[in-house]
Amino acid sequence: AQSVAQPEDQVNVAEGNPLTVKCTYSVSGNPYLFWYVQYPNRGLQFLLKYITGDNLVKGSYGFEAEFNKSQTSFHLKKPSALVSDSALYFCAVRDNSNNDMRFGAGTRLTVKP
Amino acid sequence: KAGVTQTPRYLIKTRGQQVTLSCSPISGHRSVSWYQQTPGQGLQFLFEYFSETQRNKGNFPGRFSGRQFSNSRSEMNVSTLELGDSALYLCASSLVEGGPVYGYTFGSGTRLTVV
Repeated sequence: AQSVAQPEDQVNVAEGNPLTVKCTYSVSGNPYLFWYVQYPNRGLQFLLKYITGDNLVKGSYGFEAEFNKSQTSFHLKKPSALVSDSALYFCAVRDNSNNDMRFGAGTRLTVKP
Repeated sequence: KAGVTQTPRYLIKTRGQQVTLSCSPISGHRSVSWYQQTPGQGLQFLFEYFSETQRNKGNFPGRFSGRQFSNSRSEMNVSTLELGDSALYLCASSLVEGGPVYGYTFGSGTRLTVV
């Protein structure tokens, strides 16, 4: 069965510094990988996806993620963090052999001024 | 175009009661999935509907059920509510069944509190 892990419950960075939110996955077959962001009292918003092709995926709000097949990772990155990036971030994987979609436990990102 | 609409936004129910939540997907989207979000368990998949048929189901008891109408609107029902059912219930729509190339579009959720 597929699974996704976000090893950090909390990530703190200073505004203007680069940020990384980690995600590793385990699936059979080729994964579809996603990142979503959730602001307080809101649903999840799609940030970016990896289906195939270039391992570096660019998404909304200046975020990008790098797919690394050998390390089974899909870390979310941003070169310069903003205070407004503070939110809960979820990594998700879709196993296309059974159409299941699994979310990680989430990582709370706090960007301090 | 309008996003995914979930109603109501907030709900307070008593243990033992039942509740029905509603989700209207983005126009043209035919797949609707439901998730339960709690601080302890994170996001857990409930079920997915496509063309009025349940296509996939998560590991939840039979008290949790759903349906989809011909206009793709979906409802989920929870009977005999328990305190542990308190959660944010999220609905997500996508254009096609199963592997959504563009990912889901989520609604803002219904926050259910069972007292």
